[in-house]
Amino acid sequence: GNSVTQMEGPVTLSEEAFLTINCTYTATGYPSLFWYVQYPGEGLQLLLKATKADDKGSNKGFEATYRKETTSFHLEKGSVQVSDSAVYFCALSDRDSSYKLIFGSGTRLLVRP
Amino acid sequence: GAGVSQSPRYKVAKRGQDVALRCDPISGHVSLFWYQQALGQGPEFLTYFQNEAQLDKSGLPSDRFFAERPEGSVSTLKIQRTQQEDSAVYLCASSQGWTSTDTQYFGPGTRLTVL
Repeated sequence: GNSVTQMEGPVTLSEEAFLTINCTYTATGYPSLFWYVQYPGEGLQLLLKATKADDKGSNKGFEATYRKETTSFHLEKGSVQVSDSAVYFCALSDRDSSYKLIFGSGTRLLVRP
Repeated sequence: GAGVSQSPRYKVAKRGQDVALRCDPISGHVSLFWYQQALGQGPEFLTYFQNEAQLDKSGLPSDRFFAERPEGSVSTLKIQRTQQEDSAVYLCASSQGWTSTDTQYFGPGTRLTVL
């Protein structure tokens, strides 16, 4: 079945450091890939998405590239801020799974000033 | 515009009680999903509606869980005879269409605690 694996946290960085959160997936079809973010005390928000191979999603300085050959969708940001502290979820959706989102277990990011 | 809303935000139930959780999707959104999120975990799918039709209920953990969306808008997730293992945050999401490229917009969730 379809699944998503992402690196365990917490990830602790200093402000302005480079961020990578790894995400790999298993899917039988051609999924769309998503990163959602959950800030403290708030609901899940879409951060970015990519719907086909080699697409790059980007938003708020975050980027992720859909790599079909390595079944990966790693999240990157060149310079993190304290306000980026949150839990990040990688997810996929495809027709074979009734379009439901299949999530990874989440990675908590803590950015220190 | 208004996003997805859920009520109540918090619910405490005694074991064995029935509960009903409400979701108001974004107006005009065809698809509606329910997810369950345990503490420290990613959300897990429960059920999916396209308009009023429940097309997938494979994630409902037992026959104590029941969901409906009778007019293709508001949805209710009902849990009968609640158990402690039902304690979790229940998330509702809606999307405009019904393809894998559609973005799902999430509500704030209902935190259910079963004592």
